[in-house]
Amino acid sequence: DAKTTQPTSMDCAEGRAANLPCNHSTISGNEYVYWYRQIHSQGPQYIIHGLKNNETNEMASLIITEDRKSSTLILPHATLRDTAVYYCIVRVVDDKIIFGKGTRLHILP
Amino acid sequence: GAVVSQHPSRVICKSGTSVKIECRSLDFQATTMFWYRQFPKQSLMLMATSNEGSKATYEQGVEKDKFLINHASLTLSTLTVTSAHPEDSSFYICSARVAGRQTQYFGPGTRLLVL
Repeated sequence: DAKTTQPTSMDCAEGRAANLPCNHSTISGNEYVYWYRQIHSQGPQYIIHGLKNNETNEMASLIITEDRKSSTLILPHATLRDTAVYYCIVRVVDDKIIFGKGTRLHILP
Repeated sequence: GAVVSQHPSRVICKSGTSVKIECRSLDFQATTMFWYRQFPKQSLMLMATSNEGSKATYEQGVEKDKFLINHASLTLSTLTVTSAHPEDSSFYICSARVAGRQTQYFGPGTRLLVL
């Protein structure tokens, strides 16, 4: 049980912001929201994580709703290299990561 | 960021032989390592969790006698696929983390093809 719901696929034009939604309506108070991505034939890559505040790093921004039941990963200026499957995961610290089906993001030239 | 390596990156073997895959944390000590398997067009499936110095914990449906896991040091875990068959052909990925730290880091994967 992946505990999250994501769209199967999305398209985004190169240079535009890619906004990837994730629903996690059953999230517990001590569970974090993590985002990983997997480029074809590679291992997953950590992107960002957060508990309840919005977070930003050099790769992306994470916006978590006030009720924490959903979140959005934002890639501010998508490039062709951002084409990948993006996984939204909720877990507590030290828990194992269970992957759902993720969102297949296609960046269009 | 932390780096996890896997060796070999790809391997082809004959049915019935055993194959060993290594997972190393290069610049940190991993108290826990995880092994995943991924079939084409599917998501990663967790196979087992291994803690340094103790026996691995296998997920439901994963045969522990077929997929032998050894986590003998804080930087190395090995997965041995015993008596491999064509249905074991898959992409095997390991990950590692430090206890109490948030992030889990993944290796680049090992592609196994059993003929």
